[in-house]
Amino acid sequence: GQQVMQIPQYQHVQEGEDFTTYCNSSTTLSNIQWYKQRPGGHPVFLIQLVKSGEVKKQKRLTFQFGEAKKNSSLHITATQTTDVGTYFCAGKTSYDKVIFGPGTSLSVIP
Amino acid sequence: NAGVTQTPKFRVLKTGQSMTLLCAQDMNHEYMYWYRQDPGMGLRLIHYSVGEGTTAKGEVPDGYNVSRLKKQNFLLGLESAAPSQTSVYFCASRENLGTSSNQPQHFGDGTRLSIL
Repeated sequence: GQQVMQIPQYQHVQEGEDFTTYCNSSTTLSNIQWYKQRPGGHPVFLIQLVKSGEVKKQKRLTFQFGEAKKNSSLHITATQTTDVGTYFCAGKTSYDKVIFGPGTSLSVIP
Repeated sequence: NAGVTQTPKFRVLKTGQSMTLLCAQDMNHEYMYWYRQDPGMGLRLIHYSVGEGTTAKGEVPDGYNVSRLKKQNFLLGLESAAPSQTSVYFCASRENLGTSSNQPQHFGDGTRLSIL
């Protein structure tokens, strides 16, 4: 079946270091969304990418959508303790289904 | 606006008991979803609804039933709870602007359910 995978599953970084999580789909996606879930909280929408090769930035966060629309990445520059949480990608397939990846859990060591 | 409200926030059940989780949204969204979240497995879709009076199965529907009698409410039922259903349950809703769109999902705070 259609799958969306994310790597790594966990990442521990020193505050100030950069962080990247990768999202890979087994099929071409029509668009991809990213969500952040703080510990004990609920997922919160961050951004949506639609176009092949699209790059969007939100302050220290950079989101990319691959040329083949089968992968995406989220890069955080100079992590802060407020970046702690789990980052999920959610891809929309050609069958109008939205599939969430398993998430990457980020810990930031002060 | 309250957004998406889930009740209850916590519940402990014994095996075999039944219960209903309530999700209410005040954003007039067409689509509503029920997910369960287990450690290391992300969000898995249980059931969803694309409008009042309609429901459909998701990835892990067994052991659950749902109803969408009113547009603003989406109920998740466990007829005979099992320990494997211990999880955090999230409800979400989103607008429908056509099949080509994918509007962001708005999540509730979750219901933490333990089955003993």
